[in-house]
Amino acid sequence: DQQVKQNSPSLSVQEGRISILNCDYTNSMFDYFLWYKKYPAEGPTFLISISSIKDKNEDGRFTVFLNKSAKHLSLHIVPSQPGDSAVYFCAASNSGGSNYKLTFGKGTLLTVNP
Amino acid sequence: ETGVTQSPTHLIKTRGQQVTLRCSSQSGHNTVSWYQQALGQGPQFIFQYYREEENGRGNFPPRFSGLQFPNYSSELNVNALELDDSALYLCASSSQGRSYGYTFGSGTRLTVV
Repeated sequence: DQQVKQNSPSLSVQEGRISILNCDYTNSMFDYFLWYKKYPAEGPTFLISISSIKDKNEDGRFTVFLNKSAKHLSLHIVPSQPGDSAVYFCAASNSGGSNYKLTFGKGTLLTVNP
Repeated sequence: ETGVTQSPTHLIKTRGQQVTLRCSSQSGHNTVSWYQQALGQGPQFIFQYYREEENGRGNFPPRFSGLQFPNYSSELNVNALELDDSALYLCASSSQGRSYGYTFGSGTRLTVV
């Protein structure tokens, strides 16, 4: 049973435009969410996170939105750059219980075309 | 500040064999977590070690075992390898037994033939 779902395996956008990556979760105990970026032959690197007490968090070109009632979060990248081309993973944690682990989605391959 | 290093980077083993993967945690981190990433999937939590003890375990059979050493480095051991064990094995270090602030290594690519 996939508790974190990224339903789009891939996304292609033009340089300078907005990239929107989506993630849904089913476990209502999740209260902390993270996005990781992964290049080939490298480990995932942390991008941005959001706690369930917030509905938005920004860091430069990256913004994460959380809709708790819909159990949905999204990552917006504006403007998109070719160097953003990578696999993006959404991950979730339960800080009140099993805060030692992250549950990941399957990832979305983002391609930013020059 | 040194990052997380994993060895070896690639490994080919035969079904039924045993394998040991190694991980050195980032300086200042006392917790190591292991994840398995199969092709086309996201990383799946195997277990975490904090203060040299297993601090949590995912849905993996007992033939997956681990160790953490006093210097916080860690080993992942897999016995009786199966073809489905072929995957990228990722190590992540963090502090205080938490998943926040993970730093991942580049992984070990294990192929079982």
